[in-house]
Amino acid sequence: QSVLTQPPSVSAAPGQKVTISCSGSSSNIGNNYVSWYQQFPGTAPKLLIYDNDQRPSGIPDRFSGSKSGTSATLGITGLQTGDEADYYCGAWDSSLSAMVFGGGTKLTVL
Amino acid sequence: QVRLVESGGGEVQPGRSLRLSCAASGFTFSHYGINWVRQAPGKGLQWVAGIRSDGSDKFYSDSVKGRFTISRDNSNNMVYLQMSSLRVEDTAVYYCARDDCHSLTCYGYWGQGTLVTVSS
Repeated sequence: QSVLTQPPSVSAAPGQKVTISCSGSSSNIGNNYVSWYQQFPGTAPKLLIYDNDQRPSGIPDRFSGSKSGTSATLGITGLQTGDEADYYCGAWDSSLSAMVFGGGTKLTVL
Repeated sequence: QVRLVESGGGEVQPGRSLRLSCAASGFTFSHYGINWVRQAPGKGLQWVAGIRSDGSDKFYSDSVKGRFTISRDNSNNMVYLQMSSLRVEDTAVYYCARDDCHSLTCYGYWGQGTLVTVSS
């Protein structure tokens, strides 16, 4: 059971927009920054969003992040088949003194 | 370019020990915290341990506390994960990842991972 809660899967058509939610508590998302990662099968994760809504250089602006209270959201617009991957949210948990991740969300682009 | 290369994985019996290494290059190593994150087969990401840039603070997940030790050698750009009393549930791909937020909370660069299999 993950400390952060994500939907197991989401799907949308090419060109559409999708959002992936990440729910936590005051000890993690509520008082710390959220990061998001994309992972393709058999490869290492890749940082998509850090500090709730910041994109590293090279990440297209189709990817966006937001946070409200104890929840965070990853948004992806203009979906492409190449976006099919697993997506994970992460945040520091001040009570655990540990980084915690969501269980991951599998994105299918129909 | 930034590079992180893990090594030391393999198959080991329950209760035995193993040391993983992470060799870093392409950046000023002593300026960055490093973390270990693992992924069991078919499962999600699980943070294991983190160490600050100067080695002053170390953090561990509850699942490995007391069994695993993270350390670093800033002279040789290396991070280590000493794993002891290994359990079947420690079986996973272990990644080292650079802390790009300087708070051990966002990982901008990852290695390719090394597989640890704990089995009798």
